[in-house]
Amino acid sequence: EADIYQTPRYLVIGTGKKITLECSQTMGHDKMYWYQQDPGMELHLIHYSYGVNSTEKGDLSSESTVSRIRTEHFPLTLESARPSHTSQYLCASMRGGSYEQYFGPGTRLTVT
Amino acid sequence: SQKIEQNSEALNIQEGKTATLTCNYTNYSPAYLQWYRQDPGRGPVFLLLIRENEKEKRKERLKVTFDTTLKQSLFHITASQPADSATYLCALVVSGSARQLTFGSGTQLTVLP
Repeated sequence: EADIYQTPRYLVIGTGKKITLECSQTMGHDKMYWYQQDPGMELHLIHYSYGVNSTEKGDLSSESTVSRIRTEHFPLTLESARPSHTSQYLCASMRGGSYEQYFGPGTRLTVT
Repeated sequence: SQKIEQNSEALNIQEGKTATLTCNYTNYSPAYLQWYRQDPGRGPVFLLLIRENEKEKRKERLKVTFDTTLKQSLFHITASQPADSATYLCALVVSGSARQLTFGSGTQLTVLP
């Protein structure tokens, strides 16, 4: 069982609110990733990080931002939530020298 | 354009049979190909990785083949069980892509008792 955690698991929020999705891993992995996944669809990479103070945008354009101040923590923030942000958000980490990604359980976000 | 295609329809098989899932890709030259399992409401779980210079990889009841000429990977589950019911995702790692994964949309497998 991978030691990567996401909170909250489910979130229903109104349009215009600011939200932060939390992701933490206790494996000491350098690389961390955020994906967005709609039901029955592929995962799309929205942000990634290779280590502390390193963040990059992924292939899918996103209005979210991320930070990596500590190795174990990689939060994702939406400054102003919109209904188009309704989706499942998955966090993952990977050990240096490996290609295997460990995923958290995901946060199911609904913006009304 | 670059594309990853998995079995477009859900796959139903009888318990004990071998399930075969397909992953085809176009306009990629992956250095590695991976298979993940995803259960409803959960994150994907890594199953197997195969390198571009490997033809086949096995792990218990799982077998993966990788044909870079056909641009195809096959994923087999032998002696399938109802507990194998899940969505299976293939993912590509392209050399030089900084270890990013590109995922297919998955194949939903149901093993009937």
